[in-house]
Amino acid sequence: NAGVTQTPKFQVLKTGQSMTLQCAQDMNHEYMSWYRQDPGMGLRLIHYSVGAGITDQGEVPNGYNVSRSTTEDFPLRLLSAAPSQTSVYFCASSYSTGADTQYFGPGTRLTVL
Amino acid sequence: KQEVTQIPAALSVPEGENLVLNCSFTDSAIYNLQWFRQDPGKGLTSLLLIQSSQREQTSGRLNASLDKSSGRSTLYIAASQPGDSATYLCAVRLDDYKLSFGAGTTVTVRA
Repeated sequence: NAGVTQTPKFQVLKTGQSMTLQCAQDMNHEYMSWYRQDPGMGLRLIHYSVGAGITDQGEVPNGYNVSRSTTEDFPLRLLSAAPSQTSVYFCASSYSTGADTQYFGPGTRLTVL
Repeated sequence: KQEVTQIPAALSVPEGENLVLNCSFTDSAIYNLQWFRQDPGKGLTSLLLIQSSQREQTSGRLNASLDKSSGRSTLYIAASQPGDSATYLCAVRLDDYKLSFGAGTTVTVRA
């Protein structure tokens, strides 16, 4: 049982490049989400999914795209990277919503030059 | 808009002292509140989850209280150890899908 895994751990991009951050969980969780963490700020929700085929926007969705084709995987795509997207990205999952404990991945540290 | 605040941003205590970490939120209409621990360069680990109908939760040396009416939660860590050094974040669940996080309190326990 690996929990929530994220790849890569570190990534450097140039402005305008695109890339996909991978997230997978093996706990059969329905709910998955992506957050970004910036210095001095709390984590902010980017996108979330309540099950395969269902996604929705969070607090800061601009510049990011998601899809959920399977229960296990929830990739985050940066369409055209900008320096403002330099951040640490965390994927989280929970069994469902509401009262459930959130489980977090180890994070991806992204730098956009 | 829900605002979650954690004060102080950093705290340093000698080993053995009890830790008191504060979290305040502006909207009392929450589902629950969760405390997390984050080690440098790592993800978040859930410590305690308090449902909106509960007043406190305990796990080992950790105790978290919740006062919805005043918009406050407190995390107590008894007899602190150097291994407790980390950043502690609180998060409130606003609805079925969203968590709103505080910026965290970074704790250093001096041996």
